[in-house]
Amino acid sequence: EVQLVESGGGLVQPDSSLTLSCAASGFTFDDYAMHWVRQVPGKGLEWVSGISWHGNNIGYADSVRGRFTISRDNARNSLYLQMNSLRVEDMALYYCAKDRDADYVGGIFDYWGQGTPVTVSS
Amino acid sequence: DIQMTQSPSTLSASVGDSVTITCRASQSIGSWLAWYQQRPGKAPKLLIYKTSILESGVPSRFSGSGSGTEFSLTISGLQPDDFASYYCQQHNSLSHTFGQGTKLEI
Repeated sequence: EVQLVESGGGLVQPDSSLTLSCAASGFTFDDYAMHWVRQVPGKGLEWVSGISWHGNNIGYADSVRGRFTISRDNARNSLYLQMNSLRVEDMALYYCAKDRDADYVGGIFDYWGQGTPVTVSS
Repeated sequence: DIQMTQSPSTLSASVGDSVTITCRASQSIGSWLAWYQQRPGKAPKLLIYKTSILESGVPSRFSGSGSGTEFSLTISGLQPDDFASYYCQQHNSLSHTFGQGTKLEI
């Protein structure tokens, strides 16, 4: 059974940093691209970032490019999102999602975690 | 970036009804469109990708169609579990944009 478990969310002040983690199990992690998708409670979904199976092909939404960094550790079956210079508008539930393909450009999210909340407030 | 617009935003229906949700892309995305279902308090679930391919385990009452800029999701014979929110998503360009969602309510 595929499982994705996010952690690392919390309450932070504007302009601070936070790192999210996603522990994956139940599939061959290094065969697939992985993504972060966020959702403001009661609102829609926004793709944040994706990384291909080998970690060499990476993409970001314009809203986070230059502030967020996605990475993966295939030996640990883990995905990460380093978030710097956090803004109030980054406040959301952050989901880890598995791609059906090896390259993040595929963009079909077939499994999702339950999300970790990020609150940005002074 | 490609913009995705869903209609309607809210849809009222009854068990047994058939409903259609529409998704329009701001430019052609070929057949690169997916649909997701999200129940309250739960993560989204992939229903359909590449316009019409049903994800494994998804009931056949769900179907998708369209191409280019106009797409639709049809649910035939609504079941109680189907009352949820639905999102389209383009998987053509690297922005992987979602529609704003359609809430299907009783």
